[in-house]
Amino acid sequence: AQKVTQAQTEISVVEKEDVTLDCVYETRDTTYYLFWYKQPPSGELVFLIRRNSFDEQNEISGRYSWNFQKSTSSFNFTITASQVVDSAVYFCALGGTGGGADGLTFGKGTHLIIQP
Amino acid sequence: NAGVTQTPKFRILKIGQSMTLQCAQDMNHNYMYWYRQDPGMGLKLIYYSVGAGITDKGEVPNGYNVSRSTTEDFPLRLELAAPSQTSVYFCASSYGSQPQHFGDGTRLSIL
Repeated sequence: AQKVTQAQTEISVVEKEDVTLDCVYETRDTTYYLFWYKQPPSGELVFLIRRNSFDEQNEISGRYSWNFQKSTSSFNFTITASQVVDSAVYFCALGGTGGGADGLTFGKGTHLIIQP
Repeated sequence: NAGVTQTPKFRILKIGQSMTLQCAQDMNHNYMYWYRQDPGMGLKLIYYSVGAGITDKGEVPNGYNVSRSTTEDFPLRLELAAPSQTSVYFCASSYGSQPQHFGDGTRLSIL
């Protein structure tokens, strides 16, 4: 069975601080995919990134960066110089060999609060 | 470009009533999904479909039914609404293993 753990239920930081959201996963698949989604207060789900298990390179997109470590089964997400607009619930999700084509397993989410 | 459209956005049902949550996508995606999101929780997969005429159960299918007669539409049916089905329901679609695109959700309360 697949499992995603986001141990941080809520994080509150002051604007411009850096913040890291943790994600630990469990799977028996040798090929799998990891995702991060953002859910702003308006409620929709916004796709941020997809990473397959064969690609352990870290990725940076503007103020966002992701650190994938197979050795520790972690896929952490860092926001640099946080902004109030980053306030949202962030979900880490896991897809199996089909890239999530048979559905994703989500963590419970981390509620990120950026205070001005 | 509408993407994934869910209707209604909000609904209140009485225990024992039935209803259908509608989901339509205009991206010609072959895969479609229904998830539910309970307060403070992540999304859980109810049903999914890999193409017209093909559906399969997810993690929490009890109390729900689906059908997929066209590529575009994937309705979710609640036959006998129960308070435990109070949740926010999200429909999603994808092309194969590409990232899923989500609708805006349907907030359902059963009283």
